[in-house]
Amino acid sequence: NAGVTQTPKFRVLKTGQSMTLLCAQDMNHEYMYWYRQDPGMGLRLIHYSVGEGTTAKGEVPDGYNVSRLKKQNFLLGLESAAPSQTSVYFCASSRTGQGLRQPQHFGDGTRLSIL
Amino acid sequence: GQNIDQPTEMTATEGAIVQINCTYQTSGFNGLFWYQQHAGEAPTFLSYNVLDGLEEKGRFSSFLSRSKGYSYLLLKELQMKDSASYLCAVRSQYSGAGSYQLTFGKGTKLSVIP
Repeated sequence: NAGVTQTPKFRVLKTGQSMTLLCAQDMNHEYMYWYRQDPGMGLRLIHYSVGEGTTAKGEVPDGYNVSRLKKQNFLLGLESAAPSQTSVYFCASSRTGQGLRQPQHFGDGTRLSIL
Repeated sequence: GQNIDQPTEMTATEGAIVQINCTYQTSGFNGLFWYQQHAGEAPTFLSYNVLDGLEEKGRFSSFLSRSKGYSYLLLKELQMKDSASYLCAVRSQYSGAGSYQLTFGKGTKLSVIP
């Protein structure tokens, strides 16, 4: 019953440092997503992937990169962290992006603070 | 572009009924989802509407009117554990790329009081 697993759960970085957030899903879902959630802003899509080896930009992609080398994993990278990237990051996955009810399943989130 | 509006906060009494409204403007509409999110936790799926009308699931019901760009989530027999944020999310075709994305509202924080 793992579902979507995010690592790490918490992290504190200094401005300019880099790091990678890992998302793994065991539901054989084609689609995967990275969101950030900030107070008063709701969930905003950073990048998404419709399948292994493919990625695309979402609403707020600047300052982030992603990779989907394996179907079950979706990595989010911050090359040079900035205080504006302090947020809670959620990964999600779904079977497809369309059709009948195909809800996105979310991981527990990564709380990232940039000092 | 996408625009989704829902009230920021609501308060209701245990055992009562509460309705959380959501209005949206979007192109390429392909369904509306409601998620529940307890503080510090991940969003979890509650309901889905793609056709006009009411969908009922236990104490929770969701309604959709596509012509009005309007949905609501109805919670009956409120319990203290229903205190959470409720997120309205619209699925639509994204940038003509052939894929469908979710755009979330900012969420409605519901407080259930004794």
